Amino acid sequence: GEDVEQSLFLSVREGDSSVINCTYTDSSSTYLYWYKQEPGAGLQLLTYIFSNMDMKQDQRLTVLLNKKDKHLSLRIADTQTGDSAIYFCAETPGGSYIPTFGRGTSLIVHP
Amino acid sequence: DSGVTQTPKHLITATGQRVTLRCSPRSGDLSVYWYQQSLDQGLQFLIQYYNGEERAKGNILERFSAQQFPDLHSELNLSSLELGDSALYFCASSARAGAITDTQYFGPGTRLTVL
Repeated sequence: GEDVEQSLFLSVREGDSSVINCTYTDSSSTYLYWYKQEPGAGLQLLTYIFSNMDMKQDQRLTVLLNKKDKHLSLRIADTQTGDSAIYFCAETPGGSYIPTFGRGTSLIVHP
Repeated sequence: DSGVTQTPKHLITATGQRVTLRCSPRSGDLSVYWYQQSLDQGLQFLIQYYNGEERAKGNILERFSAQQFPDLHSELNLSSLELGDSALYFCASSARAGAITDTQYFGPGTRLTVL
Protein backbone atom coordinates (compact mmCIF):
# COMPACT_ATOMS: atom_id res chain seq x y z
CA GLY A 1 0.00 0.00 0.00
CA GLU A 2 0.89 3.66 -0.17
CA ASP A 3 3.07 5.23 2.52
CA VAL A 4 0.69 8.18 2.95
CA GLU A 5 -3.01 7.77 2.24
CA GLN A 6 -5.74 10.35 1.87
CA SER A 7 -9.25 10.30 0.54
CA LEU A 8 -9.47 11.91 -2.88
CA PHE A 9 -12.40 14.27 -2.45
CA LEU A 10 -14.21 16.27 0.21
CA SER A 11 -17.19 18.52 -0.40
CA VAL A 12 -18.37 21.01 2.23
CA ARG A 13 -20.75 23.94 2.46
CA GLU A 14 -19.34 27.41 2.90
CA GLY A 15 -19.13 28.32 6.59
CA ASP A 16 -18.93 24.71 7.76
CA SER A 17 -15.78 23.05 9.12
CA SER A 18 -13.75 20.79 6.86
CA VAL A 19 -11.76 17.85 8.17
CA ILE A 20 -9.20 16.27 5.89
CA ASN A 21 -7.73 13.00 7.08
CA CYS A 22 -4.45 11.25 6.37
CA THR A 23 -2.85 8.01 7.49
CA TYR A 24 0.82 7.15 7.24
CA THR A 25 2.83 4.00 7.77
CA ASP A 26 6.24 5.06 9.04
CA SER A 27 6.20 5.14 12.83
CA SER A 28 9.57 6.90 12.83
CA SER A 29 8.17 9.93 11.00
CA THR A 30 9.54 13.08 12.53
CA TYR A 31 7.57 15.86 10.89
CA LEU A 32 4.15 15.78 9.27
CA TYR A 33 3.00 18.49 6.91
CA TRP A 34 -0.04 19.90 5.21
CA TYR A 35 0.43 21.58 1.84
CA LYS A 36 -2.18 23.39 -0.27
CA GLN A 37 -2.18 23.44 -4.06
CA GLU A 38 -4.42 25.93 -5.81
CA PRO A 39 -5.23 25.51 -9.51
CA GLY A 40 -2.24 26.32 -11.71
CA ALA A 41 0.07 26.84 -8.74
CA GLY A 42 2.71 24.93 -6.86
CA LEU A 43 2.39 23.50 -3.40
CA GLN A 44 2.31 25.93 -0.52
CA LEU A 45 3.24 24.82 2.98
CA LEU A 46 0.26 25.46 5.28
CA THR A 47 1.48 24.04 8.54
CA TYR A 48 3.52 21.25 10.04
CA ILE A 49 3.59 19.35 13.30
CA PHE A 50 6.46 17.65 15.06
CA SER A 51 5.80 14.03 15.92
CA ASN A 52 5.96 14.61 19.68
CA MET A 53 2.99 16.99 19.52
CA ASP A 54 -0.69 16.08 19.56
CA MET A 55 -2.19 19.28 18.29
CA LYS A 56 -1.24 22.53 16.62
CA GLN A 57 -3.53 25.46 16.00
CA ASP A 58 -2.91 28.30 13.59
CA GLN A 59 -5.85 30.68 13.09
CA ARG A 60 -8.55 28.68 11.25
CA LEU A 61 -6.36 25.60 10.94
CA THR A 62 -6.10 22.85 13.54
CA VAL A 63 -3.81 19.88 13.05
CA LEU A 64 -4.39 16.77 15.15
CA LEU A 65 -1.87 13.94 15.33
CA ASN A 66 -2.64 10.49 16.70
CA LYS A 67 0.75 8.85 16.67
CA LYS A 68 -0.53 5.52 17.95
CA ASP A 69 -2.93 5.18 15.01
CA LYS A 70 -0.58 7.04 12.61
CA HIS A 71 -3.42 9.39 11.76
CA LEU A 72 -3.15 13.07 10.92
CA SER A 73 -6.02 15.47 10.32
CA LEU A 74 -6.42 19.04 9.20
CA ARG A 75 -9.49 20.93 10.33
CA ILE A 76 -10.39 24.18 8.59
CA ALA A 77 -12.89 26.23 10.54
CA ASP A 78 -15.44 28.44 8.75
CA THR A 79 -14.45 27.09 5.34
CA GLN A 80 -14.53 29.66 2.54
CA THR A 81 -14.69 29.29 -1.25
CA GLY A 82 -11.07 30.44 -1.34
CA ASP A 83 -10.15 27.29 0.58
CA SER A 84 -11.09 25.17 -2.45
CA ALA A 85 -7.83 23.47 -3.44
CA ILE A 86 -5.98 20.19 -3.22
CA TYR A 87 -4.54 19.48 0.22
CA PHE A 88 -1.51 17.22 0.50
CA CYS A 89 -0.43 15.41 3.61
CA ALA A 90 3.31 14.63 3.80
CA GLU A 91 5.71 13.02 6.24
CA THR A 92 9.44 12.91 6.62
CA PRO A 93 10.40 9.31 7.33
CA GLY A 94 12.91 8.85 10.12
CA GLY A 95 16.38 9.92 9.04
CA SER A 96 15.18 11.72 5.93
CA TYR A 97 14.36 15.35 5.27
CA ILE A 98 12.66 14.65 1.93
CA PRO A 99 8.86 14.56 2.40
CA THR A 100 6.77 11.66 1.17
CA PHE A 101 3.48 13.00 -0.12
CA GLY A 102 0.00 11.58 -0.21
CA ARG A 103 -2.01 11.85 -3.43
CA GLY A 104 -3.93 14.86 -2.21
CA THR A 105 -7.54 15.57 -1.20
CA SER A 106 -9.57 17.87 -3.42
CA LEU A 107 -11.61 20.15 -1.19
CA ILE A 108 -14.69 21.58 -2.90
CA VAL A 109 -16.49 24.37 -1.08
CA HIS A 110 -19.98 25.16 -2.32
CA PRO A 111 -22.29 27.99 -1.30
CA ASP B 1 4.11 34.00 -5.17
CA SER B 2 6.74 31.66 -3.72
CA GLY B 3 9.69 33.36 -5.41
CA VAL B 4 10.56 30.18 -7.31
CA THR B 5 10.26 30.53 -11.08
CA GLN B 6 9.97 27.77 -13.64
CA THR B 7 10.06 27.91 -17.41
CA PRO B 8 8.39 27.02 -19.63
CA LYS B 9 4.89 26.83 -18.21
CA HIS B 10 3.75 24.30 -20.80
CA LEU B 11 5.69 22.04 -23.10
CA ILE B 12 4.30 19.75 -25.78
CA THR B 13 6.64 17.37 -27.54
CA ALA B 14 6.79 13.99 -29.22
CA THR B 15 7.98 10.61 -28.02
CA GLY B 16 11.71 10.10 -28.35
CA GLN B 17 12.50 13.79 -27.99
CA ARG B 18 14.57 15.58 -25.36
CA VAL B 19 13.49 18.62 -23.34
CA THR B 20 15.02 20.88 -20.70
CA LEU B 21 13.07 22.39 -17.85
CA ARG B 22 14.47 25.35 -16.01
CA CYS B 23 14.13 26.51 -12.42
CA SER B 24 15.33 29.60 -10.57
CA PRO B 25 15.24 29.25 -6.78
CA ARG B 26 14.21 31.92 -4.31
CA SER B 27 16.84 34.53 -3.70
CA GLY B 28 19.30 33.20 -1.14
CA ASP B 29 18.17 29.57 -1.32
CA LEU B 30 20.96 27.09 -2.01
CA SER B 31 18.97 23.87 -2.47
CA VAL B 32 16.83 22.94 -5.45
CA TYR B 33 14.52 19.93 -5.54
CA TRP B 34 12.74 18.42 -8.53
CA TYR B 35 9.42 16.57 -8.25
CA GLN B 36 7.17 14.84 -10.76
CA GLN B 37 3.40 14.92 -10.27
CA SER B 38 1.38 12.49 -12.34
CA LEU B 39 -2.10 11.04 -12.01
CA ASP B 40 -0.95 7.49 -11.43
CA GLN B 41 2.13 8.10 -9.25
CA GLY B 42 1.17 11.21 -7.30
CA LEU B 43 3.97 13.58 -6.28
CA GLN B 44 7.35 11.88 -6.49
CA PHE B 45 10.70 13.30 -5.46
CA LEU B 46 13.28 13.08 -8.24
CA ILE B 47 16.51 14.74 -7.17
CA GLN B 48 18.02 17.50 -5.02
CA TYR B 49 21.00 19.77 -5.63
CA TYR B 50 22.70 21.86 -3.01
CA ASN B 51 25.11 24.62 -4.01
CA GLY B 52 25.91 22.89 -7.29
CA GLU B 53 26.31 19.36 -5.97
CA GLU B 54 23.87 16.47 -6.10
CA ARG B 55 22.60 15.95 -2.56
CA ALA B 56 19.82 13.39 -2.65
CA LYS B 57 18.32 11.15 -5.27
CA GLY B 58 14.81 9.77 -5.43
CA ASN B 59 12.85 7.95 -8.11
CA ILE B 60 14.66 9.53 -11.03
CA LEU B 61 14.91 7.54 -14.25
CA GLU B 62 18.26 7.10 -15.98
CA ARG B 63 16.85 8.98 -18.97
CA PHE B 64 16.51 12.03 -16.74
CA SER B 65 19.35 14.17 -15.45
CA ALA B 66 19.70 17.46 -13.66
CA GLN B 67 22.30 20.00 -12.78
CA GLN B 68 22.64 23.17 -10.76
CA PHE B 69 24.72 26.02 -12.12
CA PRO B 70 26.98 28.50 -10.29
CA ASP B 71 24.17 31.08 -10.27
CA LEU B 72 22.10 28.38 -8.51
CA HIS B 73 19.49 27.95 -11.21
CA SER B 74 18.80 24.34 -12.09
CA GLU B 75 17.85 22.43 -15.20
CA LEU B 76 16.10 19.09 -15.49
CA ASN B 77 16.84 17.25 -18.72
CA LEU B 78 14.41 14.58 -19.89
CA SER B 79 15.45 12.47 -22.88
CA SER B 80 14.01 9.63 -24.97
CA LEU B 81 10.62 10.82 -23.84
CA GLU B 82 7.78 8.36 -23.46
CA LEU B 83 4.04 8.93 -23.19
CA GLY B 84 4.26 8.07 -19.50
CA ASP B 85 6.57 11.02 -18.87
CA SER B 86 3.65 13.38 -19.34
CA ALA B 87 3.27 15.07 -15.97
CA LEU B 88 3.66 18.27 -14.00
CA TYR B 89 7.26 18.85 -13.01
CA PHE B 90 7.78 21.00 -9.94
CA CYS B 91 10.88 22.63 -8.68
CA ALA B 92 11.22 23.64 -5.05
CA SER B 93 13.94 25.49 -3.21
CA SER B 94 15.07 25.75 0.38
CA ALA B 95 17.67 27.72 2.22
CA ARG B 96 19.93 24.91 3.38
CA ALA B 97 21.20 21.48 2.46
CA GLY B 98 18.43 19.52 4.05
CA ALA B 99 17.23 20.08 7.54
CA ILE B 100 13.80 18.77 8.39
CA THR B 101 12.77 22.24 9.51
CA ASP B 102 13.94 23.69 6.20
CA THR B 103 10.78 24.78 4.38
CA GLN B 104 10.57 23.95 0.71
CA TYR B 105 9.04 26.62 -1.51
CA PHE B 106 7.47 25.31 -4.70
CA GLY B 107 7.39 26.85 -8.13
CA PRO B 108 4.24 26.85 -10.29
CA GLY B 109 5.41 23.83 -12.30
CA THR B 110 5.99 22.95 -15.93
CA ARG B 111 3.30 20.85 -17.57
CA LEU B 112 4.89 18.40 -20.01
CA THR B 113 2.74 16.65 -22.57
CA VAL B 114 4.33 13.90 -24.65
CA LEU B 115 2.35 12.96 -27.77
